[in-house]
Amino acid sequence: AQSVTQPDIHITVSEGASLELRCNYSYGATPYLFWYVQSPGQGLQLLLKYFSGDTLVQGIKGFEAEFKRSQSSFNLRKPSVHWSDAAEYFCAVVANQAGTALIFGKGTTLSVSS
Amino acid sequence: ETGVTQSPTHLIKTRGQQVTLRCSSQSGHNTVSWYQQALGQGPQFIFQYYREEENGRGNFPPRFSGLQFPNYSSELNVNALELDDSALYLCASSLVRGGAVNNEQFFGPGTRLTVL
Repeated sequence: AQSVTQPDIHITVSEGASLELRCNYSYGATPYLFWYVQSPGQGLQLLLKYFSGDTLVQGIKGFEAEFKRSQSSFNLRKPSVHWSDAAEYFCAVVANQAGTALIFGKGTTLSVSS
Repeated sequence: ETGVTQSPTHLIKTRGQQVTLRCSSQSGHNTVSWYQQALGQGPQFIFQYYREEENGRGNFPPRFSGLQFPNYSSELNVNALELDDSALYLCASSLVRGGAVNNEQFFGPGTRLTVL
Protein backbone atom coordinates (compact mmCIF):
# COMPACT_ATOMS: atom_id res chain seq x y z
CA ALA A 1 0.00 0.00 0.00
CA GLN A 2 1.11 3.52 -0.65
CA SER A 3 2.44 5.47 2.29
CA VAL A 4 4.27 8.65 3.12
CA THR A 5 6.65 9.08 6.05
CA GLN A 6 7.79 12.38 7.44
CA PRO A 7 10.39 11.42 10.04
CA ASP A 8 10.56 14.79 11.78
CA ILE A 9 7.54 15.75 13.87
CA HIS A 10 8.86 19.17 14.87
CA ILE A 11 11.79 21.25 13.60
CA THR A 12 13.04 24.61 14.87
CA VAL A 13 15.15 26.76 12.56
CA SER A 14 16.65 30.19 13.12
CA GLU A 15 15.38 32.93 10.87
CA GLY A 16 17.68 33.23 7.86
CA ALA A 17 18.99 29.69 8.19
CA SER A 18 18.43 26.98 5.61
CA LEU A 19 15.69 24.38 5.93
CA GLU A 20 15.26 20.80 4.81
CA LEU A 21 12.12 18.79 5.59
CA ARG A 22 12.30 15.08 4.89
CA CYS A 23 9.74 12.95 3.09
CA ASN A 24 9.93 9.28 2.13
CA TYR A 25 7.28 7.54 0.10
CA SER A 26 6.31 4.00 -0.68
CA TYR A 27 4.75 3.54 -4.09
CA GLY A 28 5.38 0.94 -6.76
CA ALA A 29 4.92 3.00 -9.88
CA THR A 30 6.06 6.48 -10.83
CA PRO A 31 4.82 8.68 -8.00
CA TYR A 32 3.08 11.98 -8.22
CA LEU A 33 4.37 13.93 -5.21
CA PHE A 34 3.25 17.10 -3.51
CA TRP A 35 4.21 19.39 -0.66
CA TYR A 36 1.47 21.36 1.09
CA VAL A 37 1.66 23.95 3.87
CA GLN A 38 -1.02 24.56 6.48
CA SER A 39 -1.09 27.64 8.68
CA PRO A 40 -3.24 27.67 11.85
CA GLY A 41 -6.92 27.95 10.98
CA GLN A 42 -6.19 27.67 7.27
CA GLY A 43 -6.65 25.01 4.64
CA LEU A 44 -3.78 23.40 2.78
CA GLN A 45 -1.84 25.41 0.21
CA LEU A 46 0.17 23.68 -2.49
CA LEU A 47 3.87 24.60 -2.42
CA LEU A 48 5.06 22.43 -5.30
CA LYS A 49 4.50 19.17 -7.14
CA TYR A 50 6.48 16.55 -9.03
CA PHE A 51 5.05 14.45 -11.84
CA SER A 52 7.99 13.69 -14.12
CA GLY A 53 11.02 15.25 -15.76
CA ASP A 54 13.50 17.42 -13.91
CA THR A 55 13.99 16.00 -10.44
CA LEU A 56 14.51 19.43 -8.89
CA VAL A 57 11.19 21.21 -8.63
CA GLN A 58 10.69 24.88 -7.85
CA GLY A 59 7.66 26.05 -5.94
CA ILE A 60 6.14 29.13 -4.43
CA LYS A 61 7.57 31.19 -1.56
CA GLY A 62 11.14 30.23 -2.46
CA PHE A 63 10.72 26.50 -1.76
CA GLU A 64 12.19 23.70 -3.83
CA ALA A 65 12.15 19.91 -3.59
CA GLU A 66 14.30 17.17 -5.06
CA PHE A 67 12.92 13.81 -6.14
CA LYS A 68 15.36 10.95 -5.58
CA ARG A 69 13.98 7.67 -6.85
CA SER A 70 16.89 5.62 -5.46
CA GLN A 71 16.12 6.87 -1.96
CA SER A 72 12.31 7.09 -2.38
CA SER A 73 12.57 10.63 -1.09
CA PHE A 74 11.13 14.02 -1.93
CA ASN A 75 12.73 16.45 0.52
CA LEU A 76 11.64 20.07 0.75
CA ARG A 77 14.26 22.81 1.01
CA LYS A 78 14.49 26.55 1.42
CA PRO A 79 17.81 28.43 1.51
CA SER A 80 16.71 31.14 3.96
CA VAL A 81 13.73 30.77 6.28
CA HIS A 82 11.49 33.69 7.18
CA TRP A 83 9.41 33.93 10.37
CA SER A 84 6.26 33.70 8.23
CA ASP A 85 7.28 30.18 7.15
CA ALA A 86 6.31 28.82 10.58
CA ALA A 87 3.52 26.34 9.82
CA GLU A 88 2.71 22.65 9.37
CA TYR A 89 4.13 21.02 6.25
CA PHE A 90 2.69 17.93 4.63
CA CYS A 91 4.14 15.66 1.97
CA ALA A 92 1.61 13.72 -0.13
CA VAL A 93 1.49 11.18 -2.92
CA VAL A 94 -1.31 10.40 -5.34
CA ALA A 95 -2.61 7.04 -4.23
CA ASN A 96 -3.76 5.47 -7.45
CA GLN A 97 -3.66 5.78 -11.21
CA ALA A 98 -7.10 7.33 -11.19
CA GLY A 99 -5.66 10.16 -9.16
CA THR A 100 -8.62 10.28 -6.86
CA ALA A 101 -6.84 10.32 -3.54
CA LEU A 102 -3.90 11.99 -1.88
CA ILE A 103 -2.06 10.04 0.80
CA PHE A 104 -0.53 12.44 3.31
CA GLY A 105 2.27 12.08 5.79
CA LYS A 106 1.66 13.06 9.41
CA GLY A 107 3.27 16.41 8.88
CA THR A 108 6.24 18.37 10.22
CA THR A 109 5.70 21.43 12.37
CA LEU A 110 8.20 24.16 11.60
CA SER A 111 9.02 26.76 14.23
CA VAL A 112 11.21 29.74 13.36
CA SER A 113 13.29 31.37 16.08
CA SER A 114 14.62 34.91 15.92
CA GLU B 1 -11.97 33.72 -8.92
CA THR B 2 -13.63 32.40 -5.77
CA GLY B 3 -11.73 29.79 -3.80
CA VAL B 4 -13.09 26.75 -2.00
CA THR B 5 -15.44 27.65 0.82
CA GLN B 6 -16.81 25.46 3.59
CA SER B 7 -19.59 25.85 6.13
CA PRO B 8 -19.96 25.92 8.99
CA THR B 9 -16.57 26.87 10.40
CA HIS B 10 -17.13 25.10 13.70
CA LEU B 11 -19.71 22.61 14.87
CA ILE B 12 -20.42 20.81 18.14
CA LYS B 13 -22.52 17.65 18.18
CA THR B 14 -23.19 14.82 20.60
CA ARG B 15 -22.66 11.11 20.08
CA GLY B 16 -25.30 9.46 17.92
CA GLN B 17 -26.32 12.64 16.15
CA GLN B 18 -26.05 13.30 12.44
CA VAL B 19 -24.14 16.15 10.79
CA THR B 20 -23.99 17.72 7.33
CA LEU B 21 -20.99 19.71 6.18
CA ARG B 22 -21.03 21.84 3.05
CA CYS B 23 -18.47 22.78 0.44
CA SER B 24 -18.52 25.11 -2.53
CA SER B 25 -15.87 24.26 -5.05
CA GLN B 26 -13.63 26.73 -6.81
CA SER B 27 -15.10 28.27 -9.92
CA GLY B 28 -14.57 26.02 -12.96
CA HIS B 29 -13.79 22.88 -10.96
CA ASN B 30 -15.79 19.69 -11.47
CA THR B 31 -14.46 17.38 -8.76
CA VAL B 32 -14.70 17.50 -4.99
CA SER B 33 -12.76 15.43 -2.47
CA TRP B 34 -13.28 15.21 1.27
CA TYR B 35 -10.59 14.57 3.87
CA GLN B 36 -10.63 14.04 7.65
CA GLN B 37 -7.74 15.51 9.63
CA ALA B 38 -7.56 14.37 13.23
CA LEU B 39 -5.50 16.41 15.67
CA GLY B 40 -1.79 15.98 15.04
CA GLN B 41 -2.33 13.87 11.93
CA GLY B 42 -2.23 14.37 8.20
CA PRO B 43 -5.48 14.50 6.24
CA GLN B 44 -7.07 11.15 5.38
CA PHE B 45 -9.03 10.67 2.18
CA ILE B 46 -12.73 9.99 2.71
CA PHE B 47 -14.10 10.04 -0.84
CA GLN B 48 -14.24 11.97 -4.08
CA TYR B 49 -17.19 13.04 -6.24
CA TYR B 50 -17.02 13.56 -9.98
CA ARG B 51 -20.05 14.31 -12.13
CA GLU B 52 -22.29 13.81 -9.11
CA GLU B 53 -21.10 10.25 -8.48
CA GLU B 54 -18.68 8.80 -5.96
CA ASN B 55 -15.36 8.30 -7.73
CA GLY B 56 -13.14 6.68 -5.15
CA ARG B 57 -13.41 6.07 -1.42
CA GLY B 58 -10.98 5.70 1.43
CA ASN B 59 -11.21 3.44 4.45
CA PHE B 60 -14.28 5.00 6.02
CA PRO B 61 -17.53 3.26 7.05
CA PRO B 62 -20.81 3.71 5.15
CA ARG B 63 -22.13 6.16 7.74
CA PHE B 64 -19.89 8.65 5.95
CA SER B 65 -21.76 9.61 2.79
CA GLY B 66 -21.77 12.47 0.36
CA LEU B 67 -23.47 14.28 -2.44
CA GLN B 68 -22.34 16.45 -5.32
CA PHE B 69 -24.79 18.84 -6.89
CA PRO B 70 -25.05 20.02 -10.51
CA ASN B 71 -23.24 23.24 -9.58
CA TYR B 72 -20.39 21.01 -8.27
CA SER B 73 -20.92 21.98 -4.65
CA SER B 74 -20.89 19.08 -2.23
CA GLU B 75 -22.09 17.80 1.13
CA LEU B 76 -20.52 15.38 3.56
CA ASN B 77 -22.98 13.59 5.83
CA VAL B 78 -21.97 11.62 8.89
CA ASN B 79 -24.55 9.52 10.72
CA ALA B 80 -24.39 8.08 14.22
CA LEU B 81 -21.52 10.32 15.27
CA GLU B 82 -18.77 8.82 17.41
CA LEU B 83 -16.25 10.60 19.61
CA ASP B 84 -13.47 9.67 17.16
CA ASP B 85 -15.22 11.62 14.43
CA SER B 86 -13.98 14.80 16.09
CA ALA B 87 -11.64 16.30 13.51
CA LEU B 88 -11.09 19.02 10.92
CA TYR B 89 -12.95 18.11 7.74
CA LEU B 90 -11.35 19.46 4.60
CA CYS B 91 -12.91 19.81 1.20
CA ALA B 92 -10.78 20.07 -1.93
CA SER B 93 -11.84 20.81 -5.47
CA SER B 94 -10.06 20.16 -8.72
CA LEU B 95 -10.60 20.17 -12.46
CA VAL B 96 -10.37 16.71 -13.97
CA ARG B 97 -9.86 16.61 -17.74
CA GLY B 98 -9.98 13.37 -19.67
CA GLY B 99 -8.86 11.14 -16.82
CA ALA B 100 -5.61 13.02 -16.17
CA VAL B 101 -4.22 12.22 -12.76
CA ASN B 102 -2.04 15.26 -12.25
CA ASN B 103 -4.81 17.53 -11.15
CA GLU B 104 -4.04 19.91 -8.34
CA GLN B 105 -6.48 19.86 -5.46
CA PHE B 106 -7.37 23.23 -3.92
CA PHE B 107 -8.36 23.03 -0.28
CA GLY B 108 -10.91 24.97 1.72
CA PRO B 109 -10.27 26.18 5.30
CA GLY B 110 -12.14 23.23 6.79
CA THR B 111 -14.93 22.62 9.27
CA ARG B 112 -13.91 21.82 12.84
CA LEU B 113 -16.29 19.16 14.19
CA THR B 114 -16.34 18.35 17.90
CA VAL B 115 -18.33 15.34 19.09
CA LEU B 116 -19.14 15.24 22.80
